[in-house]
Amino acid sequence: EAQVTQNPRYLITVTGKKLTVTCSQNMNHEYMSWYRQDPGLGLRQIYYSMNVEVTDKGDVPEGYKVSRKEKRNFPLILESPSPNQTSLYFCATHGLDSNNEQFFGPGTRLTVL
Amino acid sequence: DQQVKQNSPSLSVQEGRISILNCDYTNSMFDYFLWYKKYPAEGPTFLISISSIKDKNEDGRFTVFLNKSAKHLSLHIVPSQPGDSAVYFCAAGDSNYQLIWGAGTKLIIKP
Repeated sequence: EAQVTQNPRYLITVTGKKLTVTCSQNMNHEYMSWYRQDPGLGLRQIYYSMNVEVTDKGDVPEGYKVSRKEKRNFPLILESPSPNQTSLYFCATHGLDSNNEQFFGPGTRLTVL
Repeated sequence: DQQVKQNSPSLSVQEGRISILNCDYTNSMFDYFLWYKKYPAEGPTFLISISSIKDKNEDGRFTVFLNKSAKHLSLHIVPSQPGDSAVYFCAAGDSNYQLIWGAGTKLIIKP
């Protein structure tokens, strides 16, 4: 079954405590990205990756890091989380020969106190 | 400056009737447009797309219309069913696979 998995699904943490949200896909897709969803703003892209070892900033990259050491994984790293990073995060993938459809993970609800 | 706007935060429609969700955009360089559907506690799922060179695409009960001169697209669902109750996002894409998203419209189908 084609899947995009994210862990954890829910996380409550405190300001400044480094955290990582993992994303993994089994579809052999080249393209992966991270979004955050906030009320009234839709989805905003944080970072994306066109392939292994290739990452680029999206619209709201400040305060986040990513890495793409292997094709299937694209972790999102918050080195020093702040309350304004409280949000719902989605990982997405698609193949470069697809019809532009992106497949999304189930989301990670992050609260930074 | 929002490049993709969904001006209706919510829409309520009677079961069996037509649901029309609207989306406006400002950048005439977008190559394609997509609609996604999102249920609570799940990620968005792809619904239907349309290339910028077309003005209509149909898939079962779902039809997307594109009016390039007005920079407007709409999603028609007919007939509306209870399972269609969800948040609908429109998104516009460019040749670099980047998507710009609207804020979403919550569709409520009343029995």
